[in-house]
Order: sequence, then structure tokens, then C-alpha cells
Amino acid sequence: GQQLNQSPQSMFIQEGEDVSMNCTSSSIFNTWLWYKQDPGEGPVLLIALYKAGELTSNGRLTAQFGITRKDSFLNISASIPSDVGIYFCAGLAREETSGSRLTFGEGTQLTVNP
Amino acid sequence: NAGVTQTPKFQVLKTGQSMTLQCAQDMNHEYMSWYRQDPGMGLRLIHYSVGAGITDQGEVPNGYNVSRSTTEDFPLRLLSAAPSQTSVYFCASSYYPSGYGYTFGSGTRLTVV
Repeated sequence: GQQLNQSPQSMFIQEGEDVSMNCTSSSIFNTWLWYKQDPGEGPVLLIALYKAGELTSNGRLTAQFGITRKDSFLNISASIPSDVGIYFCAGLAREETSGSRLTFGEGTQLTVNP
Repeated sequence: NAGVTQTPKFQVLKTGQSMTLQCAQDMNHEYMSWYRQDPGMGLRLIHYSVGAGITDQGEVPNGYNVSRSTTEDFPLRLLSAAPSQTSVYFCASSYYPSGYGYTFGSGTRLTVV
């Protein structure tokens, strides 16, 4: 099946620093999504990307859909303590017979020190 | 807005017991799915449904059953619980299988002893 390799697995940063994380795959995806999960909660959608090369921002978050359609990047600028959580990338490929399935990366655990 | 509601939030089972995890959504979403989350492994798809009466297997379906008799509800049944099924389970729904992202429930933390 399809797999997403997300890196880094964890990050420990100081408040105010910028953060970058990425996902790569050997498969092509039609849509890339980035989610954040707070402790004890389900993931919440941050950004959705629908076209290769697309660059989309949501406040301090910026994500890009790779040209090859096999990777995506998420950047967080000027981190704050509430950015703490697990960030997941997810890719969506279209399967002809069984509909589309969302494949998740392993997650990046972000810790922000005040 | 209730969104996606999962019950219970916590459950402890003994090996061999059966139980049903409940999931309900009030957004009239066609697509619903169940994931399990284990440390370092992200979210893995167990079963999914593209509409009432239609279900299909995901990546890790063994030991689980689902049914979709209504648009709103998508219960997950553990037939005979095993310690390997200790995990956090998330239900998710969306209007379409693709492109619009999912709305997740807050999860059920299951421990099998």
C-alpha cells in the first residue's frame, strides 16, 4: 500500500523560532492535507492542497504541494506555545475501484519552550 | 454543532470480550471511516464507508467489523478483543472521499488486558 514518510519525528524549539516539516512518498497523490492533533483530541485540518506546486498559507502556517506530487512541506513561522501538538501530513490518491483513501504520515511531535 | 461524536471516551476490556465503539455525525456526510492511532505509526485505516449500506476494508481490518445502516452512524465492533487492539480509535467523516478533508471525533482510548 501507499506509505508516507514524515520527518522529523519530533522537534524541540524555542518560542519565536520557525519550524519546517515534510512528507515524502514513492506514490503520487492528488491532494495533500496537513492536520494538527492536540492532546486528547482528534486531528483538526490546518491546510489542504489540491494542485502540484500550490503554495497555501493559513496565518503563520504555510504548506506546499510538491511539483512531483510525491511530497509536501509545512512551515510554521514565529512559533508560540499553543503550537505544541502532533502534526500529521495526509495524502489522498484516487483509486478507481474502491474510492479514495487518505494515507497518513507517522506524525511530527512539536514541543515549544517558552 | 456536534460534528462527529464518539462513545465511550475510555474503555478497558478483557481479552476475548467483544464491544462496539459508537460513532455518529450530524453533518450529513456520505463518507465515514475508522482509524487506529498507535505511537510512531500515525493513523491507520481500519474500515470505511462511502454511504449507507456500503462498507469496505482499510489497511488493518482484521478483528473488526463495521456496518452502515444509516448515514449518521458507523459503529465499529471488536469481535474478540486482543491486547494488540489496545490503541486510540478515531472516527472521521467528510462529504466526499477526497479533497475536502475529514472531521474527526475526539477518540476512544481502548485498553485490552
